[in-house]
Amino acid sequence: AQTVTQSQPEMSVQEAETVTLSCTYDTSESDYYLFWYKQPPSRQMILVIRQEAYKQQNATENRFSVNFQKAAKSFSLKISDSQLGDAAMYFCAYRSGGNQFYFGTGTSLTVIP
Amino acid sequence: DADVTQTPRNRITKTGKRIMLECSQTKGHDRMYWYRQDPGLGLQLIYYSFDVKDINKGEISDGYSVSRQAQAKFSLSLESAIPNQTALYFCATSDHTKRDTDTQYFGPGTRLTVL
Repeated sequence: AQTVTQSQPEMSVQEAETVTLSCTYDTSESDYYLFWYKQPPSRQMILVIRQEAYKQQNATENRFSVNFQKAAKSFSLKISDSQLGDAAMYFCAYRSGGNQFYFGTGTSLTVIP
Repeated sequence: DADVTQTPRNRITKTGKRIMLECSQTKGHDRMYWYRQDPGLGLQLIYYSFDVKDINKGEISDGYSVSRQAQAKFSLSLESAIPNQTALYFCATSDHTKRDTDTQYFGPGTRLTVL
C-alpha cells in the first residue's frame, strides 16, 4: 500500500519569508499524481497545487511551488512571500493509478507577523 | 454557492443510534468519496463511488455503509454509532472525464460526536 509521510508536524515562518514543507511517499507505481491541500481553521480542504508524476517540470501556482524528486519520492511545497492567510494545516496527498487517494498526517503552519 | 455541500455540519448522537451524513455536489463530477479525519491524523478513505452503480470500500469501511442515490448525491450511514467513530467527516468529488481535472474537491466537513 502507498504511504505518505510528512515529517514536520509543525512549522513556522515570518511574514514575507519563504518556507518549505516536506513530503515523502512510497510507491511502486510509475504513473500517479501528487497534491498539496490546505486546511484552514474553517476545516475546508482547499487544493493548493497538483503534480503529475510523468511531468518533469515542477508545478507552480503563484507563490506556491513544488520540488518534485521522483527518484527520491519526495514532493516538497515551497511558499514564497508568506502571508498571514497562509496559516493552516497542509496535507500532502498521493493519488494511485486506481484512483485512491492517500494523505499524510499534515503540517501545521504558523505565520508570524 | 458551495459546489460540494454536507449536511449536517455538526451532529451529536448516542452510542447505538443510526445516523446518516449527506453530501451533494453541483460540479457534475462522476466520482465521490467519503473520508474521516481524526486529530493528528490525515484523512482516511471510507468509501468511494466512480458512478451511480459503482461503490467501493476504502481503507476503513467497517461500521459504515454508503448509498449513491444520484450522480450528485452520496450519503454515508453509521448503522449503530460507537464512540470511536467520533471524527470529522469529509465528502469529496473528482472528475475523471477530463484528464487535467483529476483532483479532489472537498465539502466543508461534518463534525460527528458519538457519546
